Amino acid sequence: RKEVEQDPGPFNVPEGATVAFNCTYSNSASQSFFWYRQDCRKEPKLLMSVYSSGNEDGRFTAQLNRASQYISLLIRDSKLSDSATYLCVVYNFNKFYFGSGTKLNVKP
Amino acid sequence: EAQVTQNPRYLITVTGKKLTVTCSQNMNHEYMSWYRQDPGLGLRQIYYSMNVEVTDKGDVPEGYKVSRKEKRNFPLILESPSPNQTSLYFCASSHFFTPRSQGGYSPLHFGNGTRLTVT
Repeated sequence: RKEVEQDPGPFNVPEGATVAFNCTYSNSASQSFFWYRQDCRKEPKLLMSVYSSGNEDGRFTAQLNRASQYISLLIRDSKLSDSATYLCVVYNFNKFYFGSGTKLNVKP
Repeated sequence: EAQVTQNPRYLITVTGKKLTVTCSQNMNHEYMSWYRQDPGLGLRQIYYSMNVEVTDKGDVPEGYKVSRKEKRNFPLILESPSPNQTSLYFCASSHFFTPRSQGGYSPLHFGNGTRLTVT
């Protein structure tokens, strides 16, 4: 079983839509959680860290559910510029584990 | 400007010709690591280092070497490259110890990537 699993998508949504991604992780002792954004063949860039109480940054909201071992990312009012691949990253025991990414296409 | 710098950005080489991809960070980060990214496989860790002179294998270390003689540098060495090492490589660093009140360990900062082709 993979350490981190994500639905690869693609999620095709119209501008202005709300879209949500989930990511599950296998190790209950995982310590830190992040969402990254990656544009085609470029380096991943941090979108937001995910805190136990959930956190929001503008149109983006991240949640952590330790009991069910998943994290989520909600994007409200999608923009064309949100089109990218979203990577879920989980840290435990000296390693960062990456999901394979969820592709989002926002269409006019 | 805080950054992770990788060189070269693009490299085409032949089987068996030793090469080194450099990685340098200016943030005084303790943790550095190398990843390769292949279609359908996501990012996979090659090696990581928790501090100077401390390195360890990741998930796909075969065919690679690293060294961490200085805190800022973490070069990736391919002693005898093979075509299956054709990939997109990323170096990343992290401030390993962050007060827990801020949510845990600091996230990874990535370099721009090195696209390697081995023929």
